[in-house]
Amino acid sequence: QLLLQASGPGLVRPSETLSLTCAVSGDFISSNDYYWAWIRQPPGKGLEWIGSVYHAGDTYYNSSLKSRVALSVDTSKKQFSLRLSSVTAADTAVYYCARHGTIWYYFGMDVWGQGATVTVSS
Amino acid sequence: EIVMTQSPATLSVSPGESATLSCRASQSVNRKVAWYQQKPGQAPRRLIYGASTRATGIPARFSASGSGTEFTLTISSLQSEDFAVYYCQQYNDWPHFTFGPGTKVDMK
Repeated sequence: QLLLQASGPGLVRPSETLSLTCAVSGDFISSNDYYWAWIRQPPGKGLEWIGSVYHAGDTYYNSSLKSRVALSVDTSKKQFSLRLSSVTAADTAVYYCARHGTIWYYFGMDVWGQGATVTVSS
Repeated sequence: EIVMTQSPATLSVSPGESATLSCRASQSVNRKVAWYQQKPGQAPRRLIYGASTRATGIPARFSASGSGTEFTLTISSLQSEDFAVYYCQQYNDWPHFTFGPGTKVDMK
């Protein structure tokens, strides 16, 4: 059974870089059928897709965050990561990692991590 | 960017009744819509994909339909565990996914 576990600092200072990692159980991270995504949810608000990364390194980003976001994957460590630079209070959110299919094999985001709460504050 | 809207924002329903939630896309997304359920403090859970296909393990009281720009999620005979927030998501513009703002189903 696939499990995703997001982790990282719960507090980030304004203007600094938010860094989170999502650990992927088993050998799923190198599957050709899936991408690995980050989605965030500000307190009391809805869901926002941040970006997706493939095991081969292909990345896609939300255009509203593209200038500040970088996703990466480390298949040897079975994890993928999010870096969001120049954070402000508006980046305070629960950050979820999730799995989704390729463009030809998409059935929704079928597995989600538990979420990592990140607060941006001095 | 494809904008997804949902109505109503809140739906008050008694247990055992049915609930009908609406989702609209700013342009045609064909049938590339998924629905998610989220309970407080939990990650979203996939319910529906392909506009009408129930995900594995989702009870039959959840049904969905639609195509183009108009989509509906119906929950028949609401159970206590169904009170939650429901989000629609388009993936026609894969992988530039966008979600609707959500509909909260609460107990009347």
